[in-house]
Amino acid sequence: AQTVTQSQPEMSVQEAETVTLSCTYDTSESDYYLFWYKQPPSRQMILVIRQEAYKQQNATENRFSVNFQKAAKSFSLKISDSQLGDAAMYFCAYRVPNTGNQFYFGTGTSLTVIP
Amino acid sequence: DTGVSQNPRHKITKRGQNVTFRCDPISEHNRLYWYRQTLGQGPEFLTYFQNEAQLEKSRLLSDRFSAERPKGSFSTLEIQRTEQGDSAMYLCASRRDRSSYNSPLHFGNGTRLTVT
Repeated sequence: AQTVTQSQPEMSVQEAETVTLSCTYDTSESDYYLFWYKQPPSRQMILVIRQEAYKQQNATENRFSVNFQKAAKSFSLKISDSQLGDAAMYFCAYRVPNTGNQFYFGTGTSLTVIP
Repeated sequence: DTGVSQNPRHKITKRGQNVTFRCDPISEHNRLYWYRQTLGQGPEFLTYFQNEAQLEKSRLLSDRFSAERPKGSFSTLEIQRTEQGDSAMYLCASRRDRSSYNSPLHFGNGTRLTVT
């Protein structure tokens, strides 16, 4: 079974500080794609960052970066210089091309940013 | 890019009634997905279209659920004989598939269904 585990239901961070959200996944495939999505309250889900499993270099997007550990099947998201607008639910997801086109999502981490 | 559009935003219905939701994907996106999301959970896959063909359907999807995507453009999701357990946010997402490109999902705002 394809599963994504986000072990932190809730996290909080002080404004301007750094926070790391954890994610682990389970697949026997070697080729897959990983994503972090952000869902602000009552707003649509948007892509934060993505990573191809074949790439060893960790992806970065401005203040957002990932720590991809393929052997450990870990894909954590680091948010630097946290801003009030970062407050949202964050979902980790992955897709395995060889087993279909589904995106599998975790249960999410609710991030609170404290002014 | 006008984004993925879903209608209605909210739907309240009585148990046993049928409901239909509509999704208009981003125009050049050939792949369209339906997900369901309940409070405190991540999106749960329901079904997926490539153009007009429904290629995957979740085993969890009751036969009361049906989806269509005529002409490979907009899609509809119908729930017949609604039950209280169907209350959830129904999300539509689309993507443009390129074999060598890791295209992400683009989500709509969702339709929130409440069954009373």
